[in-house]
Amino acid sequence: GQNIDQPTEMTATEGAIVQINCTYQTSGFNGLFWYQQHAGEAPTFLSYNVLDGLEEKGRFSSFLSRSKGYSYLLLKELQMKDSASYLCAFDYSGAGSYQLTFGKGTKLSVIP
Amino acid sequence: DAGVTQSPTHLIKTRGQQVTLRCSPKSGHDTVSWYQQALGQGPQFIFQYYEEEERQRGNFPDRFSGHQFPNYSSELNVNALLLGDSALYLCASSLAGWETQYFGPGTRLLVL
Repeated sequence: GQNIDQPTEMTATEGAIVQINCTYQTSGFNGLFWYQQHAGEAPTFLSYNVLDGLEEKGRFSSFLSRSKGYSYLLLKELQMKDSASYLCAFDYSGAGSYQLTFGKGTKLSVIP
Repeated sequence: DAGVTQSPTHLIKTRGQQVTLRCSPKSGHDTVSWYQQALGQGPQFIFQYYEEEERQRGNFPDRFSGHQFPNYSSELNVNALLLGDSALYLCASSLAGWETQYFGPGTRLLVL
């Protein structure tokens, strides 16, 4: 199965911390990606998880629990420029290369 | 280091027409994947090209076809355009398909 669930919209205050959750069906999972997409632009790569645990990269961190079919993206010290859609994506194919299946994305609005 | 480039940036076509979109991968990448992103949705995988062959395909009709050239650049062709084909078409490149996919700026197609 390839159902991916993310909240549609979130709002957070500048300087705060926000957590964007993503749940998925666990069968056939190979790796998890988070992308950021500003309106009208291409997705840009943020993080990749294949093992359980937390991956930290500056203000952004991504967590994965394979047994629970759950991931989150944590954004710290929010800035206005972080207003964007955040997409989680999985590779289910197992066919020798990544075939990404994306969630619908979470639109984050950062307010002053 | 040139990133992924796509042309044209915008395109307007009428129902029944055919369209060709072009993509040049990031320097050093040999695999190109194409995605369709409708407004408010996450990208949907169309197909992936590696070594000039279609390696994987998503759930898209045969009206969608592609090609990869010896220099790794790629084309996406869509025949008999429908109104529902209006979307942002994204090209992503990677190395051998297993590395992180980097997206181009996309081609916005409007079918009238």
